[in-house]
Amino acid sequence: GAVVSQHPSWVICKSGTSVKIECRSLDFQATTMFWYRQFPKQSLMLMATSNEGSKATYEQGVEKDKFLINHASLTLSTLTVTSAHPEDSSFYICSGIRETQYFGPGTRLLVL
Amino acid sequence: RKEVEQDPGPFNVPEGATVAFNCTYSNSASQSFFWYRQDCRKEPKLLMSVYSSGNEDGRFTAQLNRASQYISLLIRDSKLSDSATYLCVVYGGSQGNLIFGKGTKLSVKP
Repeated sequence: GAVVSQHPSWVICKSGTSVKIECRSLDFQATTMFWYRQFPKQSLMLMATSNEGSKATYEQGVEKDKFLINHASLTLSTLTVTSAHPEDSSFYICSGIRETQYFGPGTRLLVL
Repeated sequence: RKEVEQDPGPFNVPEGATVAFNCTYSNSASQSFFWYRQDCRKEPKLLMSVYSSGNEDGRFTAQLNRASQYISLLIRDSKLSDSATYLCVVYGGSQGNLIFGKGTKLSVKP
């Protein structure tokens, strides 16, 4: 299957700092990528749809000024959690589409 | 009503058992249906698509009942390696947006 990578896989940071997560499609071009968040024992929840060369589309309840998404190339989308707080601690997963959705390995964020 | 509902389990079964998971979805306009498998602290991976006519892949059988808005997954001859959380997933958006159930946890014991 297609490969999607994420970096970093783990982040521990202090409250108030910003964290950038990268999502790369390694063997295909992804004009659209998705960002999901998963809290413990919960389902994946779509946060936003990232479109190459245009603004991301955010789901209701997701603050676009807090979760900055940049999709500058066909193989890279970034999610920046600005001024992270403990309630932002979660598992963030990106995905790209080629025939079906392929998920990155996820990034665990722990905000202290 | 939640968009995709699943019994959270856990289902604890012995090796070799047959186990069935059910899922219901609320949007009758949903177009495609999938079962994903998610191992602990890992990303979800596609297990199989679900077709109206029902489909089988080895020990796994998926079925869809559009009238009842119900999806099922049957696992025969359970293996220890089948232990995971099984996510019922529905495609209903125009941009390839997947909607995930909370998942059903399966634990296969020796």
